[in-house]
Formats: sequence, C-alpha cells, structure tokens
Amino acid sequence: NAGVTQTPKFRVLKTGQSMTLLCAQDMNHEYMYWYRQDPGMGLRLIHYSVGEGTTAKGEVPDGYNVSRLKKQNFLLGLESAAPSQTSVYFCASSYSLRVEQYFGPGTRLTVL
Amino acid sequence: GENVEQHPSTLSVQEGDSAVIKCTYSDSASNYFPWYKQELGKRPQLIIDIRSNVGEKKDQRIAVTLNKTAKHFSLHITETQPEDSAVYFCAVQGDDKIIFGKGTRLHILP
Repeated sequence: NAGVTQTPKFRVLKTGQSMTLLCAQDMNHEYMYWYRQDPGMGLRLIHYSVGEGTTAKGEVPDGYNVSRLKKQNFLLGLESAAPSQTSVYFCASSYSLRVEQYFGPGTRLTVL
Repeated sequence: GENVEQHPSTLSVQEGDSAVIKCTYSDSASNYFPWYKQELGKRPQLIIDIRSNVGEKKDQRIAVTLNKTAKHFSLHITETQPEDSAVYFCAVQGDDKIIFGKGTRLHILP
C-alpha cells in the first residue's frame, strides 16, 4: 500500500497564478484533510472532508478551495496565489473522527 | 473556538534524561488528545493518543497524562535517545475540527 501520496512535491508559482494539489489515499478512509505548516505555527487545518462529495472549512480556509469527487482523492486549489500562501502543505486521511491521521509526504509551495 | 497552547517551544535534554511537554486547551467538550512526532523533512506521525475517559496511557518510553479538570495534558519521554530528536505536536479534538499546538522542538544532547 502506498498510503497517502501527494502531487507535486515542489512547486514555484508567481503571484496570481493558479494551481491544484492532489492528494490520494489507498486505505479506503472516509476522512481527508488539508493542512498548511509554517515555521512556528504548527499544523493549521485548511479544509477537510467527511466523505465523498462533502467538504468543510477548517481554521484557515480563505484563498483555497477543495473538492472530493472520488473517495480516494482530495484536491486543494489555489485560484490566485499570493506570497502569504508560501508554505508546506500536508494532506492526511483517517477512517473516522478522533483517530490516527495518516499524513502524506508534503508539498513545498513557494509563491513569488 | 478551541485554543491550544503548547510549552515549551524548544527543549534540550541530556541523553538518558526525561523530557516533558505540556499542552493546555480551552474547550471542555474536547475528548481526543493525540501527539504527533515530526522528524526533520518528514511527515508527522502519531506516537500516542489518549481519550477523555482515561487519565494516563503508556507505551514503552512514552506516556501521556490528561487532567480534564485543569484542561491540560502532557507528553513524557523517559530515557531519551538521539532518535527522539524531532518536533512534537499535541492536538485536541472534540466533535468537530482538530486543532494542533504550535510544536516543541526537542534536542537530545550527547
């Protein structure tokens, strides 16, 4: 099993450009999450999904959109990237609430 | 909403000594308290968790204690080893979103 995978691993964008980060899991988990990690700020939840076709806002949702069209995939979109969105993005999944989350390897995004 | 405070932000201990990291939270409805370890350049991984109906849980050199009345919980690592060097995150979850602490960077000194 690959677990949780993320595409791409690294990306550099110019301000105003758009992009989509892809998260995939092969564990048949219902719950999926997108976090951003900034130095000294820990992990902050952007959006999450409690099942196929559902999404919900986390702590820091502004500037991001998500979609969960298939159970195994969770997409994070940036419509108009800003330098404040420079960060490391982690995807995670879990089979339920209040259980272990399995994280992907992360995507390092730089917005110039 | 929920607020999680984690202390200290940095901790250095001599190899073989114990390390303690503490987190406090604000929402008394929170009932799940995991701890994640993140090594440099790697993804976070769960090391131990505790639920609100338990006061203490232990797994080899790692233990977590929970004081629901005072709304704080702590990670204890005994007989520290070089491979314990990492950033540790506490987290708090109730019926909704999970909130992470800002992390503690643990250095194990030779």
